[in-house]
Amino acid sequence: QVQLVQSGSELKKPGDSVKVSCKASGYTVTSYTFNWVRQAPGQGLEWMGWINTNTGNPTYAQGFTGRFVFSLDSSFSTASLEISSLKPEDTAVYYCARAVGGWSYGMDVWGQGTTVTVSS
Amino acid sequence: SYELTQPPSVSVSPGQTATITCSGDALDEKYSCWYLQRAGQSPVLIIYRDTKRPSGIPERISASNSGNTATLTISGAQAMDEGDYYCQAWDSNTVVFGGGTKLTVL
Repeated sequence: QVQLVQSGSELKKPGDSVKVSCKASGYTVTSYTFNWVRQAPGQGLEWMGWINTNTGNPTYAQGFTGRFVFSLDSSFSTASLEISSLKPEDTAVYYCARAVGGWSYGMDVWGQGTTVTVSS
Repeated sequence: SYELTQPPSVSVSPGQTATITCSGDALDEKYSCWYLQRAGQSPVLIIYRDTKRPSGIPERISASNSGNTATLTISGAQAMDEGDYYCQAWDSNTVVFGGGTKLTVL
């Protein structure tokens, strides 16, 4: 079936880096984009940006430039989010979600979320 | 930057109708979507393109978008409808979420 499966929870120290993966299955990956969404503890959803599955080109939302990198593996079926120089305020659940171009159709399949905790 | 505003909370009695609003400048000129996030779960898309329901979403869930306000209506509210509802739109190739509305069925 159509699903996005994310990597497991991470506990990191400030200054570390973390890589979260999102593996797609059950559909033609190049027909959809991968999106990344952050949810800080007790807070709402925050869109981080997306990656074009045909070109591998990433686009970052305001506030997610510099320390955040989206990438795809060589098969284009696994997307990754890497965050460097982690700060305690990066503590959140990170979701990947697929969308067909333009987002008017919404993000119809979501991963289970990956909890990243940054603490000394 | 574009903003969407939702009420923080809405309460409804079982079997009654709940409405959740989402306000944004000229929102009806953009497509709106809605998501339900139950406690401890990933968000689920429940409305896209203003009024469309994905497969598996019951007909008692409906929505509209007019002027500056998109409205989600839940008829015959049930305990399973409890959770956080988020509206979403996109503007200038940027996706925006509303702050979320906690729906309580009691």
